[in-house]
Amino acid sequence: AQSVTQLGSHVSVSEGALVLLRCNYSSSVPPYLFWYVQYPNQGLQLLLKYTTGATLVKGINGFEAEFKKSETSFHLTKPSAHMSDAAEYFCAVPNFGNEKLTFGTGTRLTIIP
Amino acid sequence: NAGVTQTPKFRVLKTGQSMTLLCAQDMNHEYMYWYRQDPGMGLRLIHYSVGEGTTAKGEVPDGYNVSRLKKQNFLLGLESAAPSQTSVYFCASSHRTGETKNIQYFGAGTRLSVL
Repeated sequence: AQSVTQLGSHVSVSEGALVLLRCNYSSSVPPYLFWYVQYPNQGLQLLLKYTTGATLVKGINGFEAEFKKSETSFHLTKPSAHMSDAAEYFCAVPNFGNEKLTFGTGTRLTIIP
Repeated sequence: NAGVTQTPKFRVLKTGQSMTLLCAQDMNHEYMYWYRQDPGMGLRLIHYSVGEGTTAKGEVPDGYNVSRLKKQNFLLGLESAAPSQTSVYFCASSHRTGETKNIQYFGAGTRLSVL
């Protein structure tokens, strides 16, 4: 079964600095990969979705993710952090016929003014 | 569109009490899911359904039951609540086919405390 690993349960960056959140998938190239964002006291919402063939995927709020097969990675980046980016971010991969998702353990992003 | 609606938003139970969490979606999604979220553990799948009248176990199904009598509703039941079931519960739904296939849409969550 596919799994994803998110390195760093907490990441802090200064406002205006680069945001880099790491996600590695476990084995064979998945057909899809997702990044979700969860703002305080809310449910998860889709940030971006990778489909086979793409390398750089653009999402909402200025985020993007680069798929690197050689590194089995799908890291999330944003060039300049904003206070409103403070949230928890989850990477996810489909499993078992693609009707289920397996989520990473999440990375809480804190923005320092 | 309301999307995915969960009721109630908060609940406090005593050990041994029962309750039902309701999830309703208005997007005509075929698939529906119940997750629990605990600190440091991400989201764990409790049960899911691929269609009306069908349910299946997820990663952590013990102590929970589900029913999907109507396509738009997915109920999660706790027959005898335990303190270990204190958590935030999320419902999600998704299409089986099409461009939004596999994209799960989430409700706002139910915060449950079992004393």
